[in-house]
Amino acid sequence: GNSVTQMEGPVTLSEEAFLTINCTYTATGYPSLFWYVQYPGEGLQLLLKATKADDKGSNKGFEATYRKETTSFHLEKGSVQVSDSAVYFCALSGLHSGYALNFGKGTSLLVTP
Amino acid sequence: DGGITQSPKYLFRKEGQNVTLSCEQNLNHDAMYWYRQDPGQGLRLIYYSQIVNDFQKGDIAEGYSVSREKKESFPLTVTSAQKNPTAFYLCASSTPGQGASGDYGYTFGSGTRLTVV
Repeated sequence: GNSVTQMEGPVTLSEEAFLTINCTYTATGYPSLFWYVQYPGEGLQLLLKATKADDKGSNKGFEATYRKETTSFHLEKGSVQVSDSAVYFCALSGLHSGYALNFGKGTSLLVTP
Repeated sequence: DGGITQSPKYLFRKEGQNVTLSCEQNLNHDAMYWYRQDPGQGLRLIYYSQIVNDFQKGDIAEGYSVSREKKESFPLTVTSAQKNPTAFYLCASSTPGQGASGDYGYTFGSGTRLTVV
């Protein structure tokens, strides 16, 4: 079946530091890949997505590249802000379970001033 | 504006009671999903439905039931058989089968927090 593994947190960074959150996946076929963000007390928001190999998703300064050869979709941001503090989820969607999203366990990010 | 509405936002259940969580969408999406979120465990799939009057079990369906009588609605019932129901429940909808784009247009509701008292 499909599965997603992402680095465990919590991750604590100073403002303006470089962020990387690793995500690797196992899937049959050609899944679509996603990063979601959850701010405290809120639901999920789509941060970015990539639907085929070598695609780069980007939004709000965050980027991730769909690497089929390494089955990875690492999230990066060059300079984090305090407002980026949240939980980040890597997810994939494919033929399994009616295209339902398979999520990683989430990585909590805390950015300090 | 189109979207997904989950109600109530907070729900308290006594031991041995069944409770039903509401999920309504006006996006004309064919597929709907229920997820459960626990701290440190991410989101796990409970049930999904790709079409009206049809639904399938996800990874953790035991103790839950659903119905899909209308395209817009996918209510989740947490039964007394669910031994640890305290969690955050998220409903989502999408338009699967969009072909090569793989962009399923997932939309999430704002969630219902269920607590057993």
